[in-house]
Amino acid sequence: AQSVSQHNHHVILSEAASLELGCNYSYGGTVNLFWYVQYPGQHLQLLLKYFSGDPLVKGIKGFEAEFIKSKFSFNLRKPSVQWSDTAEYFCAVGSGNTGKLIFGQGTTLQVKP
Amino acid sequence: EAQVTQNPRYLITVTGKKLTVTCSQNMNHEYMSWYRQDPGLGLRQIYYSMNVEVTDKGDVPEGYKVSRKEKRNFPLILESPSPNQTSLYFCASSPGTGFMNTEAFFGQGTRLTVV
Repeated sequence: AQSVSQHNHHVILSEAASLELGCNYSYGGTVNLFWYVQYPGQHLQLLLKYFSGDPLVKGIKGFEAEFIKSKFSFNLRKPSVQWSDTAEYFCAVGSGNTGKLIFGQGTTLQVKP
Repeated sequence: EAQVTQNPRYLITVTGKKLTVTCSQNMNHEYMSWYRQDPGLGLRQIYYSMNVEVTDKGDVPEGYKVSRKEKRNFPLILESPSPNQTSLYFCASSPGTGFMNTEAFFGQGTRLTVV
């Protein structure tokens, strides 16, 4: 069965620090990969997605992610975080059979001003 | 404004008392789904629907029912809630046949506590 694993459960950074959140998935075939963000008290929103093509994808608010097929990874990065990036971040894989998203456990990011 | 609307946002209920959480989307999406979010487990799919009158179980369907009589509505029904159903619930929708190829649009969430 497909699964998604996020290594960091809780990350605390100071403003202007660089961010990298790890995501690994288990699936040997074609995958569609997503990062969603959930700001405090709000619903999940799409941050970025990868379907094919350039493995380095850019999303909203300065985030980017790199798909490395050989490592089954899709890590999220941001060069300089802001206090407003405080949120929970979810990596997800799109599953073709049922149309569902398979989510990782989530990473809570706390940015200190 | 395009949105997915869930009601209620917060609910505290007692074990065994039937309840319904409503979900409505105004984007004419075919695909709708319910997820529950629990700490350390991420979001897990409860049920999904690919179109009107077509519903199917997700990964954690036990204790839940759904219906899809109209395209815009996808209520989640707990016939006899139990404390292990205390969770944060999200409804989501997308065009087409699911979230595989498109963005999922999520509702604001319903925080349910069963005592």
